[in-house]
Amino acid sequence: NAGVTQTPKFRVLKTGQSMTLLCAQDMNHEYMYWYRQDPGMGLRLIHYSVGEGTTAKGEVPDGYNVSRLKKQNFLLGLESAAPSQTSVYFCASSDGGEFYGYTFGSGTRLTVV
Amino acid sequence: SQQGEEDPQALSIQEGENATMNCSYKTSINNLQWYRQNSGRGLVHLILIRSNEREKHSGRLRVTLDTSKKSSSLLITASRAADTASYFCATDRAGANNLFFGTGTRLTVIP
Repeated sequence: NAGVTQTPKFRVLKTGQSMTLLCAQDMNHEYMYWYRQDPGMGLRLIHYSVGEGTTAKGEVPDGYNVSRLKKQNFLLGLESAAPSQTSVYFCASSDGGEFYGYTFGSGTRLTVV
Repeated sequence: SQQGEEDPQALSIQEGENATMNCSYKTSINNLQWYRQNSGRGLVHLILIRSNEREKHSGRLRVTLDTSKKSSSLLITASRAADTASYFCATDRAGANNLFFGTGTRLTVIP
């Protein structure tokens, strides 16, 4: 009964480095999302997926790429990290139904120096 | 651009008191949801109210929705220290595939 699992929980990157954040859900949810949370900004949607093999841009997609090769996994990639990408990243999933909430992971705290 | 805006940004009350926080939004919605976030943790879904509902209860939580004013309120009754957290409203906008979150209300309940 893990729900949504994010790895890693913490990471420090140097400017220009790349990394991949992994999100895994065990609830057979169709929809998955990546948000970033910054102080005073709330949560902003980066990318989302409405099913295996699909991805779409959210509000702040620049500098990020995603892949959903398997239904249970949603990967967020940073090709060339920038200090502006210092944030807390949250993955969430839902069954896509109109009257169900999201299940969130515990977050990844990323610092780019 | 945030869909929801919570008010107040921060609220401090004594244990046992009621806490009320408000959310305003801008466009037509299918439903509105409230989430809680404890410090350093992910968001947890609390309650969902549909656009055709006006009030909903869940334990000590009471949510109201006024679609004519595009606003919602979350009332936590008989607050406890464990209710200390940030609370976010999120709107399921008609035609969208995702939720739009507000900036949150930071609630502190003093024992």
